[in-house]
Amino acid sequence: GQQLNQSPQSMFIQEGEDVSMNCTSSSIFNTWLWYKQEPGEGPVLLIALYKAGELTSNGRLTAQFGITRKDSFLNISASIPSDVGIYFCAGQLTDSWGKLQFGAGTQVVVTP
Amino acid sequence: GAGVSQSPSNKVTEKGKDVELRCDPISGHTALYWYRQSLGQGLEFLIYFQGNSAPDKSGLPSDRFSAERTGGSVSTLTIQRTQQEDSAVYLCASSRDGGDKLFFGSGTQLSVL
Repeated sequence: GQQLNQSPQSMFIQEGEDVSMNCTSSSIFNTWLWYKQEPGEGPVLLIALYKAGELTSNGRLTAQFGITRKDSFLNISASIPSDVGIYFCAGQLTDSWGKLQFGAGTQVVVTP
Repeated sequence: GAGVSQSPSNKVTEKGKDVELRCDPISGHTALYWYRQSLGQGLEFLIYFQGNSAPDKSGLPSDRFSAERTGGSVSTLTIQRTQQEDSAVYLCASSRDGGDKLFFGSGTQLSVL
């Protein structure tokens, strides 16, 4: 069953605001990933994290791999309308090749 | 191909009928995955292929679900005697060598009436 708790479930923000979401787990993961899904499409990988404490940026997105290896967060700075979508965290256990465990997602709505 | 291709994009079927969902992975990707996404939920792992073999099929919900992969490429997910709770988006993904960078298709929206 699903072991990742992702919050918040949804966010309604104004253009230009920053967005923050996080995931926590009861398991220790060796990899954390963040995906974005737009309507009618499959998830697209945004950021991959491999080491505890790692902080990685991809444009206006920044994600961190928690020190305990049981949590991760994603920040989006200066949001724009095209940031709309569902953001999923995913964790991979050791030796579970691509068998990712996904959070339930954070729906982000950006208003002009 | 350029990306993971899934067909059909939408499938409506009657309860009790069998359905087949197809996935064409990215050329050269040895690993292929099937996930299921129910409305408002995250993705649920179903099965993983490395080449033509399935070392992990632990996520298949029941024996009505099966999948195969031929020629190290195309995969088919078959659901027999469909039930209403099978309604979901079925997503296929591939990766180069079984690593964590999965590339997803757009999915098949399955509706069982």
